[in-house]
Amino acid sequence: NAGVTQTPKFRILKIGQSMTLQCAQDMNHNYMYWYRQDPGMGLKLIYYSVGAGITDKGEVPNGYNVSRSTTEDFPLRLELAAPSQTSVYFCASSYMGAQLAGAHEQYFGPGTRLTVT
Amino acid sequence: ELKVEQNPLFLSMQEGKNYTIYCNYSTTSDRLYWYRQDPGKSLESLFVLLSNGAVKQEGRLMASLDTKARLSTLHITAAVHDLSATYFCAVDSTSGTYKYIFGTGTRLKVLA
Repeated sequence: NAGVTQTPKFRILKIGQSMTLQCAQDMNHNYMYWYRQDPGMGLKLIYYSVGAGITDKGEVPNGYNVSRSTTEDFPLRLELAAPSQTSVYFCASSYMGAQLAGAHEQYFGPGTRLTVT
Repeated sequence: ELKVEQNPLFLSMQEGKNYTIYCNYSTTSDRLYWYRQDPGKSLESLFVLLSNGAVKQEGRLMASLDTKARLSTLHITAAVHDLSATYFCAVDSTSGTYKYIFGTGTRLKVLA
């Protein structure tokens, strides 16, 4: 299994440009998440999805959009990039069973380092 | 609101010493997770603690959970340089809307 994959690894955007960060997982996980991590800081949840067709906002959703058309893919769209969106973006996935029981450790992708200038 | 706090935020220690990182959380939860992040890398899961009194050990790291005190500890025994990393705890809550909240992280530096 490849686990969680993210593309691209690095990207430089100009202010006002748009782009999509790709995330895919091959573990048949139903939950997927997007986080951003600013330098020296913790993780902030942007959006998450509990299954195909279902997404919800996290702590810092402004300036981003997501979609989840399949179990495997969870792309993150940045519209009108701003310098404040310079960060490292991590995608993660986990499996949530019936009755919300069990362990929900998250599996993380390698990250996308984004710079907006 | 679910909050997860770690202390200390920064820890510099000598090789061979013992130390404990603390993780406090603000809501009822029976599940707590510890992750490790090496500089410039992604996060990887270290421990999953699923019940009150749970204890897990891997090498020089031991994690425990006290759900009544809403406290988890990550104990480091005889630290070595390879343990230098940032350690995050996380808690999930199924009360109301599902939430998965990470702590602020503890940046550990082990000096040779």
